[in-house]
Amino acid sequence: AQSVTQPDIHITVSEGASLELRCNYSYGATPYLFWYVQSPGQGLQLLLKYFSGDTLVQGIKGFEAEFKRSQSSFNLRKPSVHWSDAAEYFCAVGGYSSASKIIFGSGTRLSIRP
Amino acid sequence: SQTIHQWPATLVQPVGSPLSLECTVEGTSNPNLYWYRQAAGRGLQLLFYSVGIGQISSEVPQNLSASRPQDRQFILSSKKLLLSDSGFYLCAWYRTDTQYFGPGTRLTVL
Repeated sequence: AQSVTQPDIHITVSEGASLELRCNYSYGATPYLFWYVQSPGQGLQLLLKYFSGDTLVQGIKGFEAEFKRSQSSFNLRKPSVHWSDAAEYFCAVGGYSSASKIIFGSGTRLSIRP
Repeated sequence: SQTIHQWPATLVQPVGSPLSLECTVEGTSNPNLYWYRQAAGRGLQLLFYSVGIGQISSEVPQNLSASRPQDRQFILSSKKLLLSDSGFYLCAWYRTDTQYFGPGTRLTVL
């Protein structure tokens, strides 16, 4: 069965430091992979997505993610975080359902240290 | 461009009262639509999805139901709310293999 694991529940990073959020998936074929961000009390905003092609994907707000098939991972990175990046981040996998359903990880909460 | 709306933004309801949450999409036709619930500090749980008018699929047996009376309208309902129905309800629509989310409705059942 398809699943997504985000092993880090909460991460704190200093402003200006680099960031990497981990995501591992379980899927029998080439998945569609997504990262979404959720600010408190808000809906989810799509940061980036991977369907095929170049395994390094650029997204909005300076984020990027790298698809590694051998490791079943799709980690999110940012070279230098800003205080406004504090939010909840969700990794998701899709492409397995005719109804276009996607499965979400449990999320990683990012806090920024001044 | 496409826009998704959810109404109301917040709702406080007593246990046993009925519920109706509305989601509407503008700028597209016959979209796939989805209802998710997010409990406090938790991930997203898919509740219902719809691939067309009158077509509803339930993912989790529960106290809630969904309807799609019009092409771009998706409604989440309950006849009698439970305390466990509290949470953040998100509607989403689908385009080119990606789901896009509305702003959400915060439901508190007291």
